[in-house]
Amino acid sequence: QSALTQPPSASGSPGQSVTISCTGTSSDVGGYNYVSWYQQHPGKAPKLMIYEVSKRPSGVPDRFSGSKSGNTASLTVSGLQAEDEADYYCCSFAGSLNYVFGTGTKVTVL
Amino acid sequence: EVQLVESGGGLVKPGGSLRLSCAASGLTFSNAWMTWVRQAPGKGLEWVGRIKSKTDGGTADFAAPVKGRFTISRDDSKNTLHLQMNSLKTEDTAVYYCTTLGTGTLRYWGQGTLVTVSS
Repeated sequence: QSALTQPPSASGSPGQSVTISCTGTSSDVGGYNYVSWYQQHPGKAPKLMIYEVSKRPSGVPDRFSGSKSGNTASLTVSGLQAEDEADYYCCSFAGSLNYVFGTGTKVTVL
Repeated sequence: EVQLVESGGGLVKPGGSLRLSCAASGLTFSNAWMTWVRQAPGKGLEWVGRIKSKTDGGTADFAAPVKGRFTISRDDSKNTLHLQMNSLKTEDTAVYYCTTLGTGTLRYWGQGTLVTVSS
């Protein structure tokens, strides 16, 4: 199972929006609505930000939103804040009870 | 509040074995499906394997790189998850996280434990 493809980096100024893509295949992203997104600050454990493509856990700001079209899922962070600077990973169910992560995107707040 | 605390990491020689544990609290552990995820130094996240709850069969599945070398078990009486790692390779060096698994979502994560495979 190959990793999902994410851009290595993305950036924006405070208050702007940034969108991160996550491209897979019909066997993972395109085949199931089980795409989730995780935020990871340096030296810390990942934190769930979006699940089932577009749902937000309680406590996650509504500045974070998710969507999917075909084999590509996306995470949008609106109104960028300094604390949003982190690595972001997508993850998809890939059938046969397996999961696959994305390659990761480093978001920089300029 | 759900808490997951991993332990058991350390330095081991190639070909050696190590057993990681994950102590869970704040959830009905016996009903939980659990996973292990790892992250090599400076690299991305990699799914390692998953175990179902005993009521759902209790079976485990693994990613290709660890299949046949790693096993996952659970002790529901102690709310503890284990990862037995055998025939370790240098490429198994990573921080290992345990997580809960529900509807395709890794909702709660532990703080991780570092495994270093080196001679």
